[in-house]
Amino acid sequence: EIVMTQSPATLSVSPGERATLSCRASQSVSSNLAWYQQKPGQAPRLLIYGASTRATGIPARFSGSGSGTEFTLTISSLQSEDFAVYYCQQYNNWPPRDTFGQGTRLEIK
Amino acid sequence: EVQLVESGGVVVQPGGSLRLSCAASGFTFDDYAMHWVRQAPGKGLEWVSLISWDGGSTYYADSVKGRFTISRDNSKNSLYLQMNSLRAEDTALYYCAKDIAEDTAMVFDYWGQGTLVTVSS
Repeated sequence: EIVMTQSPATLSVSPGERATLSCRASQSVSSNLAWYQQKPGQAPRLLIYGASTRATGIPARFSGSGSGTEFTLTISSLQSEDFAVYYCQQYNNWPPRDTFGQGTRLEIK
Repeated sequence: EVQLVESGGVVVQPGGSLRLSCAASGFTFDDYAMHWVRQAPGKGLEWVSLISWDGGSTYYADSVKGRFTISRDNSKNSLYLQMNSLRAEDTALYYCAKDIAEDTAMVFDYWGQGTLVTVSS
């Protein structure tokens, strides 16, 4: 079983500043890592897959990095619409098992 | 435009059964694997089940294995989740999600708005 641990649980950042969210896997997941954004009352939205590839329509201020067990989602200049919960998800193991991290809540400072 | 619309969520008693549906449009449904993902109230995301493009392969989370059955009808562009022996811990918003790849990638690029299942006496 691969355990995904996200940190911090809550991150407070001011608009216009940079936000850095972390995700750690209990064993290597290569680059098979995705990030999702979820706003209150909405379905999750795919931001990043393959650790660093932005999904269709995702602004360039969102970037992903890392491989193996350590991953980072960076939002370069926070906009008001970016305050949400972010989940990382590994998809390296087969058959699929536990896959999502517990989430990081990004809140306005 | 890709659309996924779930239905079928209701309040059901423990031990009861329920069938969820997901109507898909805006893409070639039978080219893609499909998933169910759930979210308990105030909690995180939990992948539930996967079905291959042709229905020939299915996979389940350990928490639902033996109780839930995923299926699809490609002629109707529809995905289903038969839920039996329901427990209180199955209470959640159930999302239908499309896989990003034609061969299964376990990456979810489109999601429905979810249908709420409440298991309570």
